[in-house]
Amino acid sequence: SQQGEEDPQALSIQEGENATMNCSYKTSINNLQWYRQNSGRGLVHLILIRSNEREKHSGRLRVTLDTSKKSSSLLITASRAADTASYFCATANSGGSNYKLTFGKGTLLTVNP
Amino acid sequence: NAGVTQTPKFQVLKTGQSMTLQCAQDMNHEYMSWYRQDPGMGLRLIHYSVGAGITDQGEVPNGYNVSRSTTEDFPLRLLSAAPSQTSVYFCASGRGQGSYEQYFGPGTRLTVT
Repeated sequence: SQQGEEDPQALSIQEGENATMNCSYKTSINNLQWYRQNSGRGLVHLILIRSNEREKHSGRLRVTLDTSKKSSSLLITASRAADTASYFCATANSGGSNYKLTFGKGTLLTVNP
Repeated sequence: NAGVTQTPKFQVLKTGQSMTLQCAQDMNHEYMSWYRQDPGMGLRLIHYSVGAGITDQGEVPNGYNVSRSTTEDFPLRLLSAAPSQTSVYFCASGRGQGSYEQYFGPGTRLTVT
């Protein structure tokens, strides 16, 4: 069963704008990760946030985690056409292995030049 | 480093045939896993391994076998292919030792007719 659910399912923006994607999950987690998938390719790890963290930054990426609401958001600032991809959140559930990830269905981001 | 490699890239099977999808990594990672991705879905974990000689089931293990005799290789065997196993299969590896990000291969697109 899917643990994470991303919202929106699809997002289309202009280059230079910010993109925000949300992820909700159902059970307690150890960590939450975001991955990017370009069309026809494998997934690429973007950022990991642990359950005791509230916010992390990596370059143009900002991730927040609200464990009380069981939700996370991924913000991409100053988007570029090369950011066009699907973005997935993945959770490692509490009490389980940190390596057993449960993925959401993803948000398809299109950045128009 | 080649990273995570998967062969073949594409495969067509008839119902009832068996085959092995190959996965290898040259990063000396402890953790390896197999996922399947169906259209419009996130990834679902099939089997995973936390080290040579150790494997465990994921969310959708039925119809698949794995073994891990070396650190580098983690083949996935389809015992008797069914149309429901038509999917894109991704292998991933992770360093372990407290590092939970996973590195994905390029995928194998399997069609069962």
